[in-house]
Amino acid sequence: GAVVSQHPSRVICKSGTSVKIECRSLDFQATTMFWYRQFPKQSLMLMATSNEGSKATYEQGVEKDKFLINHASLTLSTLTVTSAHPEDSSFYICSAPDRVSSTEQFFGPGTRLTVL
Amino acid sequence: AQSVTQLGSHVSVSEGALVLLRCNYSSSVPPYLFWYVQYPNQGLQLLLKYTTGATLVKGINGFEAEFKKSETSFHLTKPSAHMSDAAEYFCAVTRGASGTYKYIFGTGTRLKVLA
Repeated sequence: GAVVSQHPSRVICKSGTSVKIECRSLDFQATTMFWYRQFPKQSLMLMATSNEGSKATYEQGVEKDKFLINHASLTLSTLTVTSAHPEDSSFYICSAPDRVSSTEQFFGPGTRLTVL
Repeated sequence: AQSVTQLGSHVSVSEGALVLLRCNYSSSVPPYLFWYVQYPNQGLQLLLKYTTGATLVKGINGFEAEFKKSETSFHLTKPSAHMSDAAEYFCAVTRGASGTYKYIFGTGTRLKVLA
């Protein structure tokens, strides 16, 4: 199946700094990617839809100025958490849809963000 | 609007016993339904999916699920649990229309397998 990678897998940063997380589709092109966050022992919550060549679409309640999304190419989307605070600590997962079958998404391995 | 309900946030079974994880959905259009497994600090791995056709779907690792439209259910089963099945399981629904990929996830069920 298709492979989606994320980098870094873990990141620890100080409060007030910005952190960039990359999501790459390794063997296929993705004009759309999705970003989720998952708090401990909770489900995945969709944050935003990343669109190649255009602005991201954010879900209700997600601050677009805090979670900057850039989809610069057909294989790369980045999520930047700006001015991170401890409450932003979470597990961030990206996914990309299968353009061939159009029936499922492929998920990255996730990035654990800890803000001190 | 679509929604997913997973009954039982925690399920414990003995090794070798039947695994049954429940998922009910709500959708005004024909749904696509998925079961994913997540191990600690890892992403999601697809177990199986229902799109159209046969309502009994077989997946990896001996899991299967049956789409029951009349009951709006998509329960996940496995005849005999293994210790390696201990993980978090998520049911998800999306619209049954090409090009619409947004998933709605259930709250998850943590499966514990007892020796």
